[in-house]
Amino acid sequence: ETGVTQSPTHLIKTRGQQVTLRCSSQSGHNTVSWYQQALGQGPQFIFQYYREEENGRGNFPPRFSGLQFPNYSSELNVNALELDDSALYLCASSLYSIGRDTEAFFGQGTRLTVV
Amino acid sequence: GQSLEQPSEVTAVEGAIVQINCTYQTSGFYGLSWYQQHDGGAPTFLSYNGLDGLEETGRFSSFLSRSDSYGYLLLQELQMKDSASYFCAVEPTFGGGTRVLVKP
Repeated sequence: ETGVTQSPTHLIKTRGQQVTLRCSSQSGHNTVSWYQQALGQGPQFIFQYYREEENGRGNFPPRFSGLQFPNYSSELNVNALELDDSALYLCASSLYSIGRDTEAFFGQGTRLTVV
Repeated sequence: GQSLEQPSEVTAVEGAIVQINCTYQTSGFYGLSWYQQHDGGAPTFLSYNGLDGLEETGRFSSFLSRSDSYGYLLLQELQMKDSASYFCAVEPTFGGGTRVLVKP
């Protein structure tokens, strides 16, 4: 039990729709990172937020956006869903930001299916 | 950019030792992390190497050579429950994962 919770656990959306995924980080963790994980592959870094500001971004288009709130919760928003967006979306909270000696605590993920 | 290479799959029997190698190319390096992920589960942190050398945590050990841009995770006394995928990471970038299958 990592103390990181994500909702919903599963979601089915139609191509072109928009989706919001939610994450509640461990209390005291100022950093949240979001990852996309396709079946059989490693987590792909989407972006990271540190104290409510975007602190780094991977190779994902602008239709992937996020927010982090003062209460250690965060959101991942994806607009104009495409079939290739079907994946497991993971959030991870940590004490420090990118490049620091830190352990990331992952949530169980949201399995998104785009049809 | 950053990339990490690791073998895709390793099979071993209970009680054996498995070494998972990881080579990386990164712009900016603080340390190498290792995570375990069981099917359907979340990645969980195993170890971190910020300096060269060996870090031991129970049956698992991790090694780093910064000059060689290389590290490995050593799984000893393999148990069935160790069947999982293992990822090296120069956070926030993860490798593609090594699937370890432990047979009786």
